[in-house]
Amino acid sequence: AQTVTQSQPEMSVQEAETVTLSCTYDTSENNYYLFWYKQPPSRQMILVIRQEAYKQQNATENRFSVNFQKAAKSFSLKISDSQLGDTAMYFCAFIPRNYGGSQGNLIFGKGTKLSVKP
Amino acid sequence: DAGVIQSPRHEVTEMGQEVTLRCKPISGHDYLFWYRQTMMRGLELLIYFNNNVPIDDSGMPEDRFSAKMPNASFSTLKIQPSEPRDSAVYFCASSSRDEKLFFGSGTQLSVL
Repeated sequence: AQTVTQSQPEMSVQEAETVTLSCTYDTSENNYYLFWYKQPPSRQMILVIRQEAYKQQNATENRFSVNFQKAAKSFSLKISDSQLGDTAMYFCAFIPRNYGGSQGNLIFGKGTKLSVKP
Repeated sequence: DAGVIQSPRHEVTEMGQEVTLRCKPISGHDYLFWYRQTMMRGLELLIYFNNNVPIDDSGMPEDRFSAKMPNASFSTLKIQPSEPRDSAVYFCASSSRDEKLFFGSGTQLSVL
């Protein structure tokens, strides 16, 4: 079975500091995508960043970057210069990908609630 | 593009009533997904479509749930009859082949 584990139910960080959210996953697939989604109190699910498993280079999106360790099946999210607007639930997600198509099932972790304090 | 549009945003109904949730995906996306979010179970995939055809409905809880996609711009998720345990946030999402799922704002369903 494919699973995604987020071991930190809650975290907090001071504004302007850096925080890292952890995620591990379990799969026998070799080709897949990993994602971080943000869900603020507004409930909207917002894509933060995506990593393709066959790419060794870690993905970055402005203040957001990942540390992808394929052998360890680890996919952590680093938020630099934290802002009050980063306060949200953060979900790690995984989707296997067959050649020529998608399996379709985005598997989510349970989430980490991040609070950014002024 | 306006993004994935879901309606209604909130739905309160009584047990036994029929509930219909609606979704308009992003134009050009050929995958559409219905997810349910609860505190206990997190985000669960209910069903997904590719080019309007249901591909995997193994997540649909039981026969009370049904989903349709009559065309590329519209999908419905129906619960009949509804039960209190169906109370949750229901999300619709769409994607193209690049695997980036874009979610709607969700429907908060409360079954009394």
